[in-house]
Amino acid sequence: GAGVSQSPSNKVTEKGKDVELRCDPISGHTALYWYRQSLGQGLEFLIYFQGNSAPDKSGLPSDRFSAERTGGSVSTLTIQRTQQEDSAVYLCASSLQAAFSYNEQFFGPGTRLTVL
Amino acid sequence: GENVEQHPSTLSVQEGDSAVIKCTYSDSASNYFPWYKQELGKRPQLIIDIRSNVGEKKDQRIAVTLNKTAKHFSLHITETQPEDSAVYFCAASPQMYSGGGADGLTFGKGTHLIIQP
Repeated sequence: GAGVSQSPSNKVTEKGKDVELRCDPISGHTALYWYRQSLGQGLEFLIYFQGNSAPDKSGLPSDRFSAERTGGSVSTLTIQRTQQEDSAVYLCASSLQAAFSYNEQFFGPGTRLTVL
Repeated sequence: GENVEQHPSTLSVQEGDSAVIKCTYSDSASNYFPWYKQELGKRPQLIIDIRSNVGEKKDQRIAVTLNKTAKHFSLHITETQPEDSAVYFCAASPQMYSGGGADGLTFGKGTHLIIQP
């Protein structure tokens, strides 16, 4: 079946502009995660959704970052007033999150954000 | 919060030799330890994982060991092949049995594995 998809694949924006990044998780996956990967670096956890609620927002780097998820499916990560240090690949992952089970996170292809 | 350290950052081995990547973690509540492989320009993909009630797990040429007392876990790749060249990430998570909540994974900074022909 279809995997996790993200759009756009690439986004170039000017400093100070707002951007929206979209994630479509695997159908039926209740958990959704956003990560950020800077060039040559590891993956930095940003936020986690269980259904439509976000019990863990601890990784959001500033109040310019926000995310929402509707219908227990699609999620949007919004970055307001973008800064050059926001340039990175933003990865989304989803997992089945069945009870009494550890669940593999399946990653999307990422959105490469470049802030000029 | 959890902190995961990964070593080495770069590892070069001859084709056919073994490769070992080591990680340590700080949060004793962590009980799920996956390893991801990321080829250049591609998304991370799970290659093996281990739960806290298991000390070792093997899948063909890949094995992972876990020492909860010392809070460290390692990835072992035997008989390395050119297609093993990639960046490998370890991760830790206090995923809960209840299924009612799970933190995101805390990743190490990655190991660039280079297989020399």
